[in-house]
Amino acid sequence: AQSVTQLGSHVSVSEGALVLLRCNYSSSVPPYLFWYVQYPNQGLQLLLKYTSAATLVKGINGFEAEFKKSETSFHLTKPSAHMSDAAEYFCAVSEGQGAQKLVFGQGTRLTINP
Amino acid sequence: NAGVTQTPKFQVLKTGQSMTLQCAQDMNHEYMSWYRQDPGMGLRLIHYSVGAGITDQGEVPNGYNVSRSTTEDFPLRLLSAAPSQTSVYFCATAGRFGTEAFFGQGTRLTVV
Repeated sequence: AQSVTQLGSHVSVSEGALVLLRCNYSSSVPPYLFWYVQYPNQGLQLLLKYTSAATLVKGINGFEAEFKKSETSFHLTKPSAHMSDAAEYFCAVSEGQGAQKLVFGQGTRLTINP
Repeated sequence: NAGVTQTPKFQVLKTGQSMTLQCAQDMNHEYMSWYRQDPGMGLRLIHYSVGAGITDQGEVPNGYNVSRSTTEDFPLRLLSAAPSQTSVYFCATAGRFGTEAFFGQGTRLTVV
């Protein structure tokens, strides 16, 4: 079975600074990897997804992630943080074909300091 | 299009009571799933369905029942609520050939 580890339950950065949220998956390569964002009292919104087409994936709101098979990682980055980026971020992988069974990491709460 | 609609948004139950969380979708997706979200644990899969009449267990199925009689609806039943079932519940859908899941807004359930 797949497992996902997000390093750091809380990350705090200054506005304008680099955002780096870490995600590692278990050793077998999953079909798909995802980053979702959750704003307070809302559902999950897809930021970006890896589907084996390209290792560097660009998403919404200036976020991107790089799939590194040798490191079993899929870290999320954004060059310059904005106050509106404050939210909880989840890394997830698909288990089997399709997206009906997702395995999530524990989540990382991102705080932006003015 | 409404996408994925969950009702109710909030619910308080007493221990031992039963209830059904509703999930409806108008995206014509074959796959539907239920997750629970607990602090520090991310989201965990409860049950999922790959089509009408077909359901299967996820990681944390105990205490929950599901059925799927139509493509559009996938209700989650708590037969005898327990405080350990206090959580936020999310319904998600995905197309058979799709590569992402679409989530509802969630139901916040408190069992006292």
